[in-house]
Amino acid sequence: EIVLTQSPGTLSLSPGERATLSCRASQSVSTSSLAWYQQKPGQAPRLLIYVASVRATGIPDRFSGSGSGTDFTLTISRLEPEDFALYFCQQYGSSPITFGQGTKLEIK
Amino acid sequence: QVQLVQSGAEVKKPGSSVKISCKASGGTFSRYAISWVRQAPGQGLEWMGGIIPTFGTPKYAQKFQGRVTISADESSSTAYMELNSLRSDDTAVYYCAREAAPLIYYYMDVWGTGTTVTVSS
Repeated sequence: EIVLTQSPGTLSLSPGERATLSCRASQSVSTSSLAWYQQKPGQAPRLLIYVASVRATGIPDRFSGSGSGTDFTLTISRLEPEDFALYFCQQYGSSPITFGQGTKLEIK
Repeated sequence: QVQLVQSGAEVKKPGSSVKISCKASGGTFSRYAISWVRQAPGQGLEWMGGIIPTFGTPKYAQKFQGRVTISADESSSTAYMELNSLRSDDTAVYYCAREAAPLIYYYMDVWGTGTTVTVSS
């Protein structure tokens, strides 16, 4: 199975700053079949990005995804207070579906 | 707008079983896979398996093979996940989630309300 490793584990930033989250796969993710989710405490995950770089419906354009092969990045251009949350990457190109362990984005 | 409503929280003894339901409303049920994903306290997300209701054949992650049963009832637009031989490390929030495209396991664009399962003697 494809193992996804997210870094950093925790990212401490201030509102208005730029956040860069990494997701590295143990083998190539076919057809850029990678998604990003945001999760806030007590809530279900919310889809942000799919096919590595396509924003889901209603997601602000400060969120962007990039990458291919084994290296993927989620960038939040200017952090808003509501962006501080947990972020997961997921690959769905190979069975079984796998998730990264998450990056916690916290207020500095 | 599709919504997935799950059954309520459960407290179970080690060695017992739990069956969680996930009822879909507001959209097409049969052609879209429903996956089950769990999240242990303070941990990440773990895909357990799923089912495309119109096909009826479930797919399981190897880790859970033999201990989990996923099913779906098209007449009531409800999916089920039953986990047997519960252990303390099965304590988690269990989510159902719908894949974003028909007839394929994909990314998940609709998530259920979550069901907390606590396994304790």
